Amino acid sequence: EDKVVQSPLSLVVHEGDTVTLNCSYEVTNFRSLLWYKQEKKAPTFLFMLTSSGIEKKSGRLSSILDKKELFSILNITATQTGDSAVYLCATLGSNYKLTFGKGTLLTVNP
Amino acid sequence: GAVVSQHPSRVICKSGTSVKIECRSLDFQATTMFWYRQFPKQSLMLMATSNEGSKATYEQGVEKDKFLINHASLTLSTLTVTSAHPEDSSFYICSASGEGDKGRNEQFFGPGTRLTVL
Repeated sequence: EDKVVQSPLSLVVHEGDTVTLNCSYEVTNFRSLLWYKQEKKAPTFLFMLTSSGIEKKSGRLSSILDKKELFSILNITATQTGDSAVYLCATLGSNYKLTFGKGTLLTVNP
Repeated sequence: GAVVSQHPSRVICKSGTSVKIECRSLDFQATTMFWYRQFPKQSLMLMATSNEGSKATYEQGVEKDKFLINHASLTLSTLTVTSAHPEDSSFYICSASGEGDKGRNEQFFGPGTRLTVL
């Protein structure tokens, strides 16, 4: 059974801090790893990673995948209160199904 | 990215009634649609996968007679929660993907439907 484990489960920081969110996985027939941001609605897509060692960047957010260690991180620099959300990591495996981790609840205080 | 809509966005019903949730892909043909359920403070759990024109494949522990899924066209899938009970109260989210390897690698999420069963 595919498994995705995220850590920490929750994190409280101050505006301006940098955070690193972790995601480890065990997946049969790995196709890709995805990061989503979820506020009080459905998840919104952040990144899709398929190759090891290639950093994907979007503004203050960046992510990288290590397929040897079965691990990904999501970095957010200069955090803002609007970054407060649950960040979900998911893997796309057999039959193109997504398996989600439990998420990291990030709270950014002013 | 592609647009997926869900209707209704929120529904409150009495215990024992049935509720139908629609998921539509607005600007692409969705060969496959997925239905997820999310309980408060928990992650998304896949309930079933449906391919257009064929029966849905349910995940272990999901009752197919309780959660009826129909994917009659390339733009519409429906989830009917039959004889709903308070424990079925949850956030139901659909996603849709297209054809081919590239299409199937991407899932586009609907905005979700919050179901409350009294």
